[in-house]
Amino acid sequence: EPEVTQTPSHQVTQMGQEVILRCVPISNHLYFYWYRQILGQKVEFLVSFYNNEISEKSEIFDDQFSVERPDGSNFTLKIRSTKLEDSAMYFCASSWINTGELFFGEGSRLTVL
Amino acid sequence: AQKVTQAQTEISVVEKEDVTLDCVYETRDTTYYLFWYKQPPSGELVFLIRRNSFDEQNEISGRYSWNFQKSTSSFNFTITASQVVDSAVYFCALSEAGAGGTSYGKLTFGQGTILTVHP
Repeated sequence: EPEVTQTPSHQVTQMGQEVILRCVPISNHLYFYWYRQILGQKVEFLVSFYNNEISEKSEIFDDQFSVERPDGSNFTLKIRSTKLEDSAMYFCASSWINTGELFFGEGSRLTVL
Repeated sequence: AQKVTQAQTEISVVEKEDVTLDCVYETRDTTYYLFWYKQPPSGELVFLIRRNSFDEQNEISGRYSWNFQKSTSSFNFTITASQVVDSAVYFCALSEAGAGGTSYGKLTFGQGTILTVHP
């Protein structure tokens, strides 16, 4: 069964460092998303991406965040200068059409020290 | 702005009991979608169901059933004859159409309900 894969599964970084989280969406999907879940809290929308551009972003997704689909298969989330409060599980998701039936990856846990 | 409330933080049942997870939502849109996702201990989010705002028919899928009531803005989820493998965090979520119907992938999640099924 096709699935969304994310790497790394866990990354530990120092505050102020740049982090790139990688995702391989399901191959025929057209819409891509990043969500995050701070430990014990709700899952929050960060950004959606379609046709090689951001289609929507939340207030969490500030200038420190960026997304890219560099090669037609990977979908990356970059955090330029990490803060302690960026510690969370980051979920990548993809969908074939924009109806909210998102397929999520297993998440990348980011720990900022 | 939309909001999803799952008032039950944790529920604990014994295997074979039926359990209902509550979800109440707020939205100003007339067109929206409602969802349930399951997050097992392994951490991924597993899609369970999507319902659009025009379809209030209840749905049953095996041991799972969903009751959508627009009058009370609720979308409750019942597991019949629960099993240990049902133990997980369950999230209710809402998406609104937004401008030009483009925002369906932007989900607003509830806080989640931790379900523990004991043998």
